[in-house]
Amino acid sequence: GAGVSQTPSNKVTEKGKYVELRCDPISGHTALYWYRQSLGQGPEFLIYFQGTGAADDSGLPNDRFFAVRPEGSVSTLKIQRTERGDSAVYLCASSFGSQNTGELFFGEGSRLTVL
Amino acid sequence: GDSVTQMEGPVTLSEEAFLTINCTYTATGYPSLFWYVQYPGEGLQLLLKATKADDKGSNKGFEATYRKETTSFHLEKGSVQVSDSAVYFCALSDSGYALNFGKGTSLLVTP
Repeated sequence: GAGVSQTPSNKVTEKGKYVELRCDPISGHTALYWYRQSLGQGPEFLIYFQGTGAADDSGLPNDRFFAVRPEGSVSTLKIQRTERGDSAVYLCASSFGSQNTGELFFGEGSRLTVL
Repeated sequence: GDSVTQMEGPVTLSEEAFLTINCTYTATGYPSLFWYVQYPGEGLQLLLKATKADDKGSNKGFEATYRKETTSFHLEKGSVQVSDSAVYFCALSDSGYALNFGKGTSLLVTP
């Protein structure tokens, strides 16, 4: 499809386990974003990539969270030693170029449940 | 820090009714303001935006005006349709990428 693709759509894991969430942005979009949406809340900014580099990672809650985008396209959000409080929908978005207009194209999200 | 407050839902309206979803914000600078919409089973998508005071954003019959004096960006539509049933998020941004979202307002339009 032509939209932002996220896998898996659902992930259930146990406390303490390691998790990877993948995002495949719209072809040609150089900017990529990760957001987290907890139940009953709006999305919360985590990290922004421009190309391969993280231009702003100020939203990552702690050092258990890490994201990469090695070739400037697909990105992986990595969560170590998961905690129950990490349960949320993780949203990926992408956009054209470096002009930050606020028009982000979101995927449907990866729902993470930590038991 | 910057934040957005929007009216709590769910909002239930009959088809062709007038819609208002209130949104107010606090910000230290002069942010851009946005309404995003999430239809069932789909990702968030930009509905409209305004980048400076007194700007009016509009799309698909929806409108919102950036009111600096009341720090508001209320969403309105004159006649809603069943297909407008969705969750609506108000958001602001100083940077254009780190969006601050409200909690969302669920709208259900009945025939």
